[in-house]
Amino acid sequence: DAMVIQNPRYQVTQFGKPVTLSCSQTLNHNVMYWYQQKSSQAPKLLFHYYDKDFNNEADTPDNFQSRRPNTSFCFLDIRSPGLGDTAMYLCATSKRRDSQETQYFGPGTRLLVL
Amino acid sequence: KQEVTQIPAALSVPEGENLVLNCSFTDSAIYNLQWFRQDHGKGLTSLLLIQSSQREQTSGRLNASLDKSSGRSTLYIAASQPGDSATYLCAVHAGNMLTFGGGTRLMVKP
Repeated sequence: DAMVIQNPRYQVTQFGKPVTLSCSQTLNHNVMYWYQQKSSQAPKLLFHYYDKDFNNEADTPDNFQSRRPNTSFCFLDIRSPGLGDTAMYLCATSKRRDSQETQYFGPGTRLLVL
Repeated sequence: KQEVTQIPAALSVPEGENLVLNCSFTDSAIYNLQWFRQDHGKGLTSLLLIQSSQREQTSGRLNASLDKSSGRSTLYIAASQPGDSATYLCAVHAGNMLTFGGGTRLMVKP
């Protein structure tokens, strides 16, 4: 059974047109992460939520925003997508932030900005 | 700033070979290190997690080692199979962040 679900799996948007990606989890984990992975590159952390606390330690620019209305759901909003935002967006969860916990990843959303 | 490097970037082997993937990191102050598998166009699947106090972890045909003082980890795959073809990523956990290497793209030929 899927534990971390991402929708949609594929998204095409136009340059400058806002887009929202969705992540949900059935694990009841406290922490939810968003990563960006460009083609043939390593995933790069965008930000994470610890419960309702938003953390942008990666200094991700304001064009990327996130919302977590409840424990199960987290959204990634891209306000004005640029061509350089074409990438795979990965959501992950962990029970806590500390060293003991593995992160569980969703299948990703492939975003294409035209 | 933590940097993670994986060598080689790509590897092609015949079925049945034993192989080693390498990961190195610059800052040894880590909590743990994870190895992930990523099939083309898909998400990440966690393979092994090694805590900083551990030297190795095993799961089936996979064995991962960690030498924190030298900033190195290896993933050993025994008796490789075509189904092992994927990209293998290592990631180090420090603070609240996972920092990933660029991955090794593995192809196992029948």
